[in-house]
Amino acid sequence: QKEVEQNSGPLSVPEGAIASLNCTYSDRGSQSFFWYRQYSGKSPELIMFIYSNGDKEDGRFTAQLNKASQYVSLLIRDSQPSDSATYLCAVNVLSGNTPLVFGKGTRLSVIA
Amino acid sequence: DTAVSQTPKYLVTQMGNDKSIKCEQNLGHDTMYWYKQDSKKFLKIMFSYNNKELIINETVPNRFSPKSPDKAHLNLHINSLELGDSAVYFCASSHQGTDTQYFGPGTRLTVL
Repeated sequence: QKEVEQNSGPLSVPEGAIASLNCTYSDRGSQSFFWYRQYSGKSPELIMFIYSNGDKEDGRFTAQLNKASQYVSLLIRDSQPSDSATYLCAVNVLSGNTPLVFGKGTRLSVIA
Repeated sequence: DTAVSQTPKYLVTQMGNDKSIKCEQNLGHDTMYWYKQDSKKFLKIMFSYNNKELIINETVPNRFSPKSPDKAHLNLHINSLELGDSAVYFCASSHQGTDTQYFGPGTRLTVL
């Protein structure tokens, strides 16, 4: 059974702080890793993907992957109230067009 | 210029009825998916279609039947609706050889 685990939160951080979201996955053969943001009542929106060990930065977002520890994280620098949402970690075990396995999401609340 | 669209956005119906949800993508993708998001916000794959052919059929009741008339469309028909079918259903698509998936706006189904 392929599983993706996330702390459901809520994770509360003050405006301007760094928010750190964590995710672990069970299948060691997992190939690619995604972070989606979902606002209440809206659809998941892709914000980052990462395939290789290490860090990947895109603006205020940094994804970190450690395949040995089966761990992927998302850092949000200079958090804004508009970042308040549920963040879904998703994993693809096979490369190519196969469905994603999602975690249950972490709800982030950025306090102004 | 909507990328992935779904109709209807909301669907309220009685137990035992049959209903359909439609999905269309104009991204030129050749793989489409149906996901179900339950009341606890857990997003789980139901079906995956590649070039109009079903390639993954997760364990869902056979009351659910997907149909893909062409690469750009993937519909979901549900027979004999039950209370437990109440959820948000998301369509998604991806391009051959990539695993980045783009989601539609979702259809909120309520079974009374």
